[in-house]
Amino acid sequence: EVQLLESGGGLVQPGGSLRLSCAASGFTFSSYAMSWVRQAPGQGLEWVSGISGSGDNTYYAGSVKGRFTISRDTSKNTLYLQMNSLRADDTAIYYCAKCSGSSSYHPVDYWGQGTLVTVSS
Amino acid sequence: DIVMTQSPDSLAVSLGERATINCKSTQSVLYSSNNKNYLAWFQQKPGQPPKLLIYWASTRESGVPDRFSGSGSGTDFTLTISSLQAEDVAVYYCQQHYSVPFTFGGGTKVEIK
Repeated sequence: EVQLLESGGGLVQPGGSLRLSCAASGFTFSSYAMSWVRQAPGQGLEWVSGISGSGDNTYYAGSVKGRFTISRDTSKNTLYLQMNSLRADDTAIYYCAKCSGSSSYHPVDYWGQGTLVTVSS
Repeated sequence: DIVMTQSPDSLAVSLGERATINCKSTQSVLYSSNNKNYLAWFQQKPGQPPKLLIYWASTRESGVPDRFSGSGSGTDFTLTISSLQAEDVAVYYCQQHYSVPFTFGGGTKVEIK
């Protein structure tokens, strides 16, 4: 059974940093691309970032490019999102999501439960 | 960026009746080399993460009831719930994964009339 467990969310001040983690199990982690998708309170879904199964290719939404960094550690079966220079509009539930293939261009087929990030002074 | 526009924003349908949700993209999401539309549909119930319903525009995910179907190609897509059940109350999103950033539609809230 595929399981994705996010952690690392919390309250951070504007301009601060946070690192999210997503522990994956139930599948061969290195064979699948992964993504982060966020959802502001009461709002819709926003794709944030993606990384290929090999880790060689990374992709970002314009709103986070230069501030967020996605990475993966195959030895730990863990996906990360390093978030710097956080702003109030980064406040959201952040979901870890598994793609159905090794390329980020495959559809997402599993989602974690999400972790809440609140940026506020 | 590809903009995904869903319509309507919300709809109320009687139990057992058909619900139809539309999704339009500002450019084609059909990849000519494999003839696949890079379009997925998700269902999100309150307090839960989204769940994949349909991928490649018309392929039903394993375990999804056959009352859910997807159709369309290029820039125009439709999600149909053929006979609405109480457990289908949710917000439905389309997403293109053809071009970065992989944008979502604004969502359609489905309720019982």
